[in-house]
Amino acid sequence: GDSVTQMEGPVTLSEEAFLTINCTYTATGYPSLFWYVQYPGEGLQLLLKATKADDKGSNKGFEATYRKETTSFHLEKGSVQVSDSAVYFCALSGVGANSKLTFGKGITLSVRP
Amino acid sequence: DAGVIQSPRHEVTEMGQEVTLRCKPISGHDYLFWYRQTMMRGLELLIYFNNNVPIDDSGMPEDRFSAKMPNASFSTLKIQPSEPRDSAVYFCASSEGTYNSPLHFGNGTRLTVT
Repeated sequence: GDSVTQMEGPVTLSEEAFLTINCTYTATGYPSLFWYVQYPGEGLQLLLKATKADDKGSNKGFEATYRKETTSFHLEKGSVQVSDSAVYFCALSGVGANSKLTFGKGITLSVRP
Repeated sequence: DAGVIQSPRHEVTEMGQEVTLRCKPISGHDYLFWYRQTMMRGLELLIYFNNNVPIDDSGMPEDRFSAKMPNASFSTLKIQPSEPRDSAVYFCASSEGTYNSPLHFGNGTRLTVT
């Protein structure tokens, strides 16, 4: 079945550092890929998505490129801020009606001033 | 748009009691999902509905859990009887569809069973 693997956390960075969070997936066909972010005390919210190979999703300075050859969707940001401290989830949605969203385990990012 | 609304935000109850969590999805969204989040198991899908009909309840842990969606604007997740291992944050989410459509989450209900 479909699965998502995220790098182990937590991750602690200083403000303005470069961020990479790795995500790889296993799925049949051509799934859609997502990054969700969860701020403390809140539900998850969509950060960005890509629906086909080589698509780049971007939002709030974050980017991720759908790489089918490496089955990856790594999240990057050039300069993190304290306000980026949150839990980040990689997810995929399979093809077809009633396909479900499969989430990775999530990784906690803490950014120090 | 008020987003997905869950109530209560916090619930503390004693083992053996019945617990009911409530959710109002975003108007016009055809899909509704119930998730449970714990440190040990992460985010787990419990059940989801399409047009008020349960589609997949394979994630419901056991018969003590039940979910209903009597109409397009309301859903409940009930635990009877509750146990300490049910302590978690329960999220409701809605979407326009599954494939390609993002989920919109509520802020969750933090359940503590003592």
